[in-house]
Amino acid sequence: ETGVTQTPRHLVMGMTNKKSLKCEQHLGHNAMYWYKQSAKKPLELMFVYSLEERVENNSVPSRFSPECPNSSHLFLHLHTLQPEDSALYLCASSQARASNQPQHFGDGTRLSIL
Amino acid sequence: GQNIDQPTEMTATEGAIVQINCTYQTSGFNGLFWYQQHAGEAPTFLSYNVLDGLEEKGRFSSFLSRSKGYSYLLLKELQMKDSASYLCAVMSYNTDKLIFGTGTRLQVF
Repeated sequence: ETGVTQTPRHLVMGMTNKKSLKCEQHLGHNAMYWYKQSAKKPLELMFVYSLEERVENNSVPSRFSPECPNSSHLFLHLHTLQPEDSALYLCASSQARASNQPQHFGDGTRLSIL
Repeated sequence: GQNIDQPTEMTATEGAIVQINCTYQTSGFNGLFWYQQHAGEAPTFLSYNVLDGLEEKGRFSSFLSRSKGYSYLLLKELQMKDSASYLCAVMSYNTDKLIFGTGTRLQVF
């Protein structure tokens, strides 16, 4: 139990579907992150939110749309994805952005695009 | 730019000691993290080094040399459950980002 919960754990969708990934943290942290993890590639930072404000958009295509309604919840809205978007999407949180405190990760959502 | 290198795969036997190396190039170094990730699970925090030297935590130790851009994770008395990927990650105060290496997949036999 890492204190960061992601749903769903697995998602299969067609390229024309719209779906959302959800992340919830129970650690009282102020920063939340979305990462993409593909096979044999490093974790890629997608988005960073600090105190519910987006502070980083790491050149991510607009078919990925994040939302942070409060400091405990983070969503990633998906629309018209491509096959190369199939990957493990990890959510993380930390006490503050760019701190020496570790980021705590959820178990991820395994996304498959048909 | 930033770059992190670590071996792709390593194997070791139960009870042995293994050292996983990580070299990095970054501007504005602000600490190095090691994470463990079992297949299908979340990466979990193992250690953090920001000053030169060795940090010991039970069977796991992590070393840092900032002048050499080098770190290693030392795992002692290996157990089967230590089979996992080990991720090296560097924080830069210039970018405020945590940059990850590709990870080292360790198989314990």
